Amino acid sequence: DIVMTQSPDSLAVSLGERATINCKSSQSVLYSSNNKNYLAWYQQKPGQPPKLVIYWASTRESGVPDRFSGSGSGTDFTLTISSLQAEDVAVYYCQQYYTTPFTFGPGTKVDIK
Amino acid sequence: EVHLVESGGGVVQPGGSLRLSCAASGFTFDAYAMHWVRQAPGKGLEWVSLISGDGGKTYYADSVKGRFTISRDNSKNSLYLQMNSLRTEDTALYYCAKAVTTGPWVYYALDVWGQGTTVTVSS
Repeated sequence: DIVMTQSPDSLAVSLGERATINCKSSQSVLYSSNNKNYLAWYQQKPGQPPKLVIYWASTRESGVPDRFSGSGSGTDFTLTISSLQAEDVAVYYCQQYYTTPFTFGPGTKVDIK
Repeated sequence: EVHLVESGGGVVQPGGSLRLSCAASGFTFDAYAMHWVRQAPGKGLEWVSLISGDGGKTYYADSVKGRFTISRDNSKNSLYLQMNSLRTEDTALYYCAKAVTTGPWVYYALDVWGQGTTVTVSS
């Protein structure tokens, strides 16, 4: 199975400042035939189901604010919130869908400093 | 509007069985792969199972393989998870979710999630 790790476990950022979350996969999730990274990011607020934020490592889901961006390739990925807003407080999970089982990272909790 | 509604959760003793259902609406159900993902209380997300749009391909996490069976009835726009030989570690909120796009494969992110149904395995 592909093991997903995230860092940090949690972070607190001032409103309007940048938040950066890292995700690493135990093997590459880049499919060479189509040059796509099979990596997604989800946001989960308390008491709510997860919400897709980014897929194909850098494609923003429809309706997601452009302050959210994804980058990286192969085994190392980053989710960046360029200017943190109060409504961004949540736990963020990365997930690989390159192969089954579609493993998730352990999550990173983002709070306001 | 795309909508997923899970049902069938409850309290069951270890070794017991439950069947979860997920009613889908607002999209062409048989065109999309569907998933079950669970979340134990206070824990992270764990992918459980996946079924292709036509139901011909199924995949499972090792933790549930041989005990859980995913299925779908495209005529009823419904997804199911038959859970047998339940263990205390299966206690979780179970979500159904749909793939973000149609296509010949099943390897896509999950874009729409239901609110979940709670399964508690306890004696």
